[in-house]
Amino acid sequence: SAVISQKPSRDICQRGTSLTIQCQVDSQVTMMFWYRQQPGQSLTLIATANQGSEATYESGFVIDKFPISRPNLTFSTLTVSNMSPEDSSIYLCSVEWGPNYGYTFGSGTRLTVV
Amino acid sequence: EDQVTQSPEALRLQEGESSSLNCSYTVSGLRGLFWYRQDPGKGPEFLFTLYSAGEEKEKERLKATLTKKESFLHITAPKPEDSATYLCAGLSGNTPLVFGKGTRLSVIA
Repeated sequence: SAVISQKPSRDICQRGTSLTIQCQVDSQVTMMFWYRQQPGQSLTLIATANQGSEATYESGFVIDKFPISRPNLTFSTLTVSNMSPEDSSIYLCSVEWGPNYGYTFGSGTRLTVV
Repeated sequence: EDQVTQSPEALRLQEGESSSLNCSYTVSGLRGLFWYRQDPGKGPEFLFTLYSAGEEKEKERLKATLTKKESFLHITAPKPEDSATYLCAGLSGNTPLVFGKGTRLSVIA
């Protein structure tokens, strides 16, 4: 299955600042997905990133708050902008890797906003 | 609206005490039902995909089954290393993967 490297693994940020999370896949993939996992909650899809086109955002998530880049078939970034304590969550990237492996996830970025 | 509901929220078992986790779903046009294991501080680890009612898959002490309305993750003779949160997710033709809130499993030696 695909191996996903996600950086940083954790960060503590001041409110009003921005953090960019990187996701690197060891193989070329068409779609990359970004999820948020709030404390005690399940995973919620933020957006789907295709190479060469703008990301598609789910209801409740907007590009100004969560801009995404997808410069090539192995890399994507998610920026959390103008952060508030409510943005404290784990952020995960994911790729689809065929029927035997399902959707593979990175190890996540644990973000705390103070 | 597609929904996935998992029960119980938390389960505490003695080592060797078999049990089952439940995942009920209302997903229109289900394309796949996924099970994941998530350890603290880590991303979800893929376990199984089930595609049609009646399908079963096994991996070590885990067996996943699927009916038209729900899926079960059976854990046989669990060990402490099976302690984790188990997530269920449904995929339909029109919406992205929808996750349940998970079952936190603790296996006590």
